[in-house]
Amino acid sequence: DAGVIQSPRHEVTEMGQEVTLRCKPISGHNSLFWYRQTMMRGLELLIYFNNNVPIDDSGMPEDRFSAKMPNASFSTLKIQPSEPRDSAVYFCASSLGQGAGYTFGSGTRLTVV
Amino acid sequence: GESVGLHLPTLSVQEGDNSIINCAYSNSASDYFIWYKQESGKGPQFIIDIRSNMDKRQGQRVTVLLNKTVKHLSLQIAATQPGDSAVYFCAENYNNAGNMLTFGGGTRLMVKP
Repeated sequence: DAGVIQSPRHEVTEMGQEVTLRCKPISGHNSLFWYRQTMMRGLELLIYFNNNVPIDDSGMPEDRFSAKMPNASFSTLKIQPSEPRDSAVYFCASSLGQGAGYTFGSGTRLTVV
Repeated sequence: GESVGLHLPTLSVQEGDNSIINCAYSNSASDYFIWYKQESGKGPQFIIDIRSNMDKRQGQRVTVLLNKTVKHLSLQIAATQPGDSAVYFCAENYNNAGNMLTFGGGTRLMVKP
């Protein structure tokens, strides 16, 4: 298994542009998580899906952020419009379920200028 | 004055020595704990886990100890190597949080040759 696959690895965009981050979880994992990591705040949970259904999105900073999971093998995190303060590393992780650890992707480093 | 950025506790050890990284967790109802290692430019990687019905679990060169009385978790690394240099996170899951893990702030381990 190739693990959790995220794309792109790096994204540089101008303020106001739409950004879409992509994630392919491990086949058979039924939970998917989006995290944001910054020096200021560390690792923050943004949203969590179970069986493709959003369970907890309380960590999504504001309406500019949205996440979808149209099927068990794909999820997107969209920021529209992007702002410089959105610059961070965004991680996707997947899991078999409660009581199982997460497997993280390699992350997408987003820079908004 | 206020520090800028997340201040990570740092543990500096000599190559070959044993390392002990500590973590205080927050919820007495937590029943599953994991240690993750994050190297620069990579996503967090699973190292070892332990359930609340155990006090100790050993892996290859790593041991996790759980003290539920004082809500304390530790990671011991034997014969620390330069490749162990990373940020280490503990994470806890409590059974009323579904599949959500709560991550600690992390500890930076620096191994001196």
